[in-house]
Amino acid sequence: GENVEQHPSTLSVQEGDSAVIKCTYSDSASNYFPWYKQELGKGPQLIIDIRSNVGEKKDQRIAVTLNKTAKHFSLHITETQPEDSAVYFCAAFNAGKSTFGDGTTLTVKP
Amino acid sequence: GAVVSQHPSWVICKSGTSVKIECRSLDFQATTMFWYRQFPKQSLMLMATSNEGSKATYEQGVEKDKFLINHASLTLSTLTVTSAHPEDSSFYICSARDSGATNEKLFFGSGTQLSVL
Repeated sequence: GENVEQHPSTLSVQEGDSAVIKCTYSDSASNYFPWYKQELGKGPQLIIDIRSNVGEKKDQRIAVTLNKTAKHFSLHITETQPEDSAVYFCAAFNAGKSTFGDGTTLTVKP
Repeated sequence: GAVVSQHPSWVICKSGTSVKIECRSLDFQATTMFWYRQFPKQSLMLMATSNEGSKATYEQGVEKDKFLINHASLTLSTLTVTSAHPEDSSFYICSARDSGATNEKLFFGSGTQLSVL
């Protein structure tokens, strides 16, 4: 089955700096890669996603890049703000079945 | 965006009692919903796939008689934790996929914190 590895497990940045979280997947048939933000005591919220036929997608301060050959994808957050502090999960989907990474706790220090 | 409503947000119950958690898709129909369990500082663990009008599909190691799933309509799935014990205490989350969409986007409920005394 699919295996998704996410790094780092914790990330601390200064407000205004950029944050990058990386995920690798094992199944080359996976074709949909969403990123979720989860705040304490709440459910995950979709923040950006990318399909396998696209290499990069951007939405304001958030971007995702995908390298199908290397089987890895990354979340980039620029100009970080304290409200970006949360746990971020990546996931890889194949034929409707999803596999989640272990999560990254991002702390943005004012 | 699509909204998934999950209730209750938290529940405390006595050991041996049953607890029902509801997951509703508010503005779309969902033939498929998913139930997860999440321990503190860990990822989401898929428990089962809820299919409207048919039996749920449980992941390996999940007791189907303990975690009863009912998906009787296109907008509602329920998870009942039967004869709950302290080890069932956890954060339970549901998600749903829009049946009318061509993409695979999942929308999550806000989660239910279950504490069994």
